[in-house]
Amino acid sequence: VQLVQSGGGLVKPGGSLRISCAASGLALNSAWLNWVRQAPGKGLELVGRIRSKIDGGATDFTAPVKGRFTISRDDSKNTVTLQMDSLKTEDTAVYFCAAGDDIRYFDYWGQGTLVTVSS
Amino acid sequence: EIVMTQSPATLSVSPGERATLSCRASQGVSGNLAWYQQRPGQAPRLLMYRTSTRATGVPPRFSGGGSRTNFTLSISSMQSEDFAVFFCQQYDDWPFTFGGGTKVEIK
Repeated sequence: VQLVQSGGGLVKPGGSLRISCAASGLALNSAWLNWVRQAPGKGLELVGRIRSKIDGGATDFTAPVKGRFTISRDDSKNTVTLQMDSLKTEDTAVYFCAAGDDIRYFDYWGQGTLVTVSS
Repeated sequence: EIVMTQSPATLSVSPGERATLSCRASQGVSGNLAWYQQRPGQAPRLLMYRTSTRATGVPPRFSGGGSRTNFTLSISSMQSEDFAVFFCQQYDDWPFTFGGGTKVEIK
């Protein structure tokens, strides 16, 4: 299983950015795909997840990003995208996509993508 | 939200020595506890789940223990590749939460 991320970069506060996670060896419509972020020099923080198609495909978000971030899936490209709107300076972090054989902990991780929110 | 607290923040260990890391949960997590290792510039790597089950490919010098709110990760004899930051994660209740990490450095 390999998760490869793309996107991210530098954006001003209030702006939007998108990160994608493409999978090989894993059908993302059968997996719960999570987004985890790590602020510079800090620990890990779960941001949100999208459930597998068979489990309804709903999304869940943690309080700091609820209402600003959305997650979508493109089955034809086996890709999941994190759309980040109304970005704040405190959203600056490396963002990882992650999935597991169990939906609750994570065997597979993307390489990480840096998102910098700064004026 | 369950708060996970790891100690110590930094642990200095000589190669070949034993390292013991602690993780405490603000409420019981029923053994639903995982550990990850993160080397500089890399993504985390799953080491342990269900408190004490080693993930695929993890050597037996890594062991996990504990219950309810207090958990430990032990490395019986530190190898050069083991020096890294370690995080615990509870997955008993959403949102799943991580501890702040313990950095294990070379003494």
